[in-house]
Amino acid sequence: AQTVTQSQPEMSVQEAETVTLSCTYDTSESDYYLFWYKQPPSRQMILVIRQEAYKQQNATENRFSVNFQKAAKSFSLKISDSQLGDAAMYFCAFLGGGSQGNLIFGKGTKLSVKP
Amino acid sequence: DTGVSQNPRHKITKRGQNVTFRCDPISEHNRLYWYRQTLGQGPEFLTYFQNEAQLEKSRLLSDRFSAERPKGSFSTLEIQRTEQGDSAMYLCASFRTGGLPEAFFGQGTRLTVV
Repeated sequence: AQTVTQSQPEMSVQEAETVTLSCTYDTSESDYYLFWYKQPPSRQMILVIRQEAYKQQNATENRFSVNFQKAAKSFSLKISDSQLGDAAMYFCAFLGGGSQGNLIFGKGTKLSVKP
Repeated sequence: DTGVSQNPRHKITKRGQNVTFRCDPISEHNRLYWYRQTLGQGPEFLTYFQNEAQLEKSRLLSDRFSAERPKGSFSTLEIQRTEQGDSAMYLCASFRTGGLPEAFFGQGTRLTVV
């Protein structure tokens, strides 16, 4: 069974600085997707960024980028120029079966942004 | 608004009562997931549907929990004989499988069992 591990329960960053959130996963599959989702307080979960396992190039979305290390089964999220609105829970998620499998989440990292 | 609707938003029930939650996904999405989330934790997988077929159910899920998705449209999650440990946020996710996959989440139903 696949597992997703986020080893940082809480992280803090100064506004305008850069922060990296860690995620590792375990799978025997070769075709899968990885995601980072953001859940602001009392708000809906929204997609931040997505990575296809068969793509070597790391995904980027504006200030958000990932460092995908397939062999190491590592998938970290870098947030550049942190803003107050980035404060939220961040969840790493794995979708296996070439997108036909189950979508499972890590336990999350709570990110605080200091003004 | 992601386009996924969950009702009710809040439910308070007495221990031992049955409760039912509803999820209306984005209409063209054929996959639907249910998760349970407790405070400060990640979404815990409960079950998911592809159209009307229930493809997987968590082994951790008690037989007091049942879900349906008639005609592959809306879905319901029922909890029978509720216990205090069932208190949590129940999330529904509507999933786009064509093209790049993405899950769209509803706002959740917060269940409190007293």
